[in-house]
Amino acid sequence: GAVVSQHPSRVICKSGTSVKIECRSLDFQATTMFWYRQFPKQSLMLMATSNEGSKATYEQGVEKDKFLINHASLTLSTLTVTSAHPEDSSFYICSARQRLVGETQYFGPGTRLLVL
Amino acid sequence: KQEVTQIPAALSVPEGENLVLNCSFTDSAIYNLQWFRQDPGKGLTSLLLIQSSQREQTSGRLNASLDKSSGRSTLYIAASQPGDSATYLCAVTSNTGKLIFGQGTTLQVKP
Repeated sequence: GAVVSQHPSRVICKSGTSVKIECRSLDFQATTMFWYRQFPKQSLMLMATSNEGSKATYEQGVEKDKFLINHASLTLSTLTVTSAHPEDSSFYICSARQRLVGETQYFGPGTRLLVL
Repeated sequence: KQEVTQIPAALSVPEGENLVLNCSFTDSAIYNLQWFRQDPGKGLTSLLLIQSSQREQTSGRLNASLDKSSGRSTLYIAASQPGDSATYLCAVTSNTGKLIFGQGTTLQVKP
């Protein structure tokens, strides 16, 4: 089956620093990648949708200057949390889809971010 | 706006019981519906995907049904085991390709 990896799996950083999270599709080319965040005991909330070679589309209420998304190739998307604050601490999960709207999204294992 | 609701929020059953998890959605214009499993602190594992034209899907002890017209899906787990303890998430794919998740049902199966 299709595999999506995320790196790092866990990161602890100081308030004010920036953190980059990578999402890779290992055995397929992903035209579209999605970024979600999940707070404890809550469900996944879509943050943004990124298509290879174009700007990401952010969901309402998500600051695009705060959460920078780059999808420079068909196998890699990155999420950079800029000037992180403790309230940004969360579980960030990416998913990747090959091409068509109705196709399965394959999820990464998630990245736990803790901002001190 | 599509909304997905899962009932119950939490469920505790003794080992061996059959159980049903419920999912409802407000907009029937969906591409498909998926059931996921999430263990604490982990990512998502896809269990079953039902296309909008399908009524059900089965995998081992799991059976998922879909009634698109009424906006309902159920996940049936037969002969539950302690290893089934996890959070189960239902998600629908909208016509724009976005996955919209329910809040999940946290299942505990007691030995």
